[in-house]
Amino acid sequence: DVVMTQSPLSLPVTLGQPASISCRSSQSLVYSDGNTYLNWFQQRPGQSPRRLIYKVSNRDSGVPDRFSGSGSGTDFTLKISRVEAEDVGVYYCMQGTHWPLTFGGGTRVDIK
Amino acid sequence: EVQLLESGGGLVQPGGSLRLSCAASGFSFRTSAMNWGRQAPGRGLEWVSGITGGGGPYYADSVKGRFTITRDNSKNTLYLQMNSLRAEDTAVYYCAKDWYFEYWGQGTLVIVSS
Repeated sequence: DVVMTQSPLSLPVTLGQPASISCRSSQSLVYSDGNTYLNWFQQRPGQSPRRLIYKVSNRDSGVPDRFSGSGSGTDFTLKISRVEAEDVGVYYCMQGTHWPLTFGGGTRVDIK
Repeated sequence: EVQLLESGGGLVQPGGSLRLSCAASGFSFRTSAMNWGRQAPGRGLEWVSGITGGGGPYYADSVKGRFTITRDNSKNTLYLQMNSLRAEDTAVYYCAKDWYFEYWGQGTLVIVSS
C-alpha cells in the first residue's frame, strides 16, 4: 500500500499568518494517464470532511483562494496564505492513483 | 445541490451484521463511482470500499470477505453490508461521491461492542 506521511502533526498558527502542510507518498502518484491523483481535505470540528483541492492544485468550487496546493511525484504541499479562524480543523491528503486508496494521518491546525 | 444521506448505523455485538445505506441526490448517480470511508473515534480517515457506476466493487484488505458494497441505480442508493463485525470496525461511516471523494455525507455511527 502507498503510505501517505503528513507533517507536522500539529500546526499552531497566528491569525493572518501563512501555514504550510507537507504530504509525502511512498511511491510516485503519477498515473499512467499523466494525471497525479492527490487530493486535500479539511475536516472542521464536528463536521464531515470537505474536499479543498483535487489533482494536486485544483481548488474546488467555493474554496477560498487563500488555499493552494502544489507538488509533484511524491512530495506535495497545502498552503494557507493567511489563516482565518474558520480554518481551524484537521487537514488530510489522499492519493487516488494506486489501490487501495490511502489517506495521510492528518495535520491539526489551530490558532495560537 | 449534491446530497448524500447515510443511515443504518447503530450498536451491534461482535460477530453481528449491519447494512448501511446512502441516499444520493443532485447528480447523475448511475454514472458516478461511489465510496465508503470511515473514521474511528479520535482517529484519521480510512477508505473502506468503492464501486464503479456499473457495479464493480473494490475493498480494503481490512474488510475484504466481510463487507459487501452494492448499489441500486433505480433508487439512487448505495449500500454497505457489514458482516462478522469486530470492535475495530467501530467508526463513523461516510459515503462519498466518485473516486476523488468530491462530496461526503454526514456519516452514520457504527459501534461494535458487547
